Amino acid sequence: GDSVTQTEGLVTLTKGLPVMLNCTYQTTYSPFLFWYVQHLNEAPKLLLKSSTDNKRTEHQGFYATLHKSSSSFHLQKSSVQLSDSALYFCALSEGPNYNVLYFGSGTKLTVEP
Amino acid sequence: EAAVTQSPRNKVAVTGGKVTLSCNQTNNHNNMYWYRQDTGHGLRLIHYSYGAGSTEKGDIPDGYKASRPSQENFSLILELATPSQTSVYFCASGDPDWGVAEQFFGPGTRLTVL
Repeated sequence: GDSVTQTEGLVTLTKGLPVMLNCTYQTTYSPFLFWYVQHLNEAPKLLLKSSTDNKRTEHQGFYATLHKSSSSFHLQKSSVQLSDSALYFCALSEGPNYNVLYFGSGTKLTVEP
Repeated sequence: EAAVTQSPRNKVAVTGGKVTLSCNQTNNHNNMYWYRQDTGHGLRLIHYSYGAGSTEKGDIPDGYKASRPSQENFSLILELATPSQTSVYFCASGDPDWGVAEQFFGPGTRLTVL
């Protein structure tokens, strides 16, 4: 709920441009952060995850770095493709119950030709 | 073969009626979850379970019950459906890895309550 904030509800970009989707979180515990991607009429799927401070994690051309000092885990890609159009969710797992994920409200990314 | 399946995929119900959404997983995961997805709210946790016979309340449990009769099956029950429960419902399964449960989602059930 309020533990994860995604400030952009909708992002529209032209193919080939870079993108950064913002994610900040609030917790007093050691956090685990996730990015999930949901294509139209499909189930959400895990894209990235991290619990290591200041270490970049990458998958399928997307990357993110967990910064505990600023409580952020922004998702980036250097050159977006049409197939990247989807809904992106940032999620937090925090103590004491690391079995539960708290999702942000999501950012809809639309890539235009 | 899909590891998390849901049935039905689409459901139209009447106000005051009883609705049961079913979820089956072949991942052999201990944890299972029910979420609803609404525009502007992301995914909100309704109920979850640590294993057969266990159910726990999530963030928005009011108006919903859950049942976990076996490792594989997890149901969400709306005893008296209301139009505000019109939504897309996702089931997920997961098991703690480094103490954190990565979750795998089913395809979703679109529920409309008239």
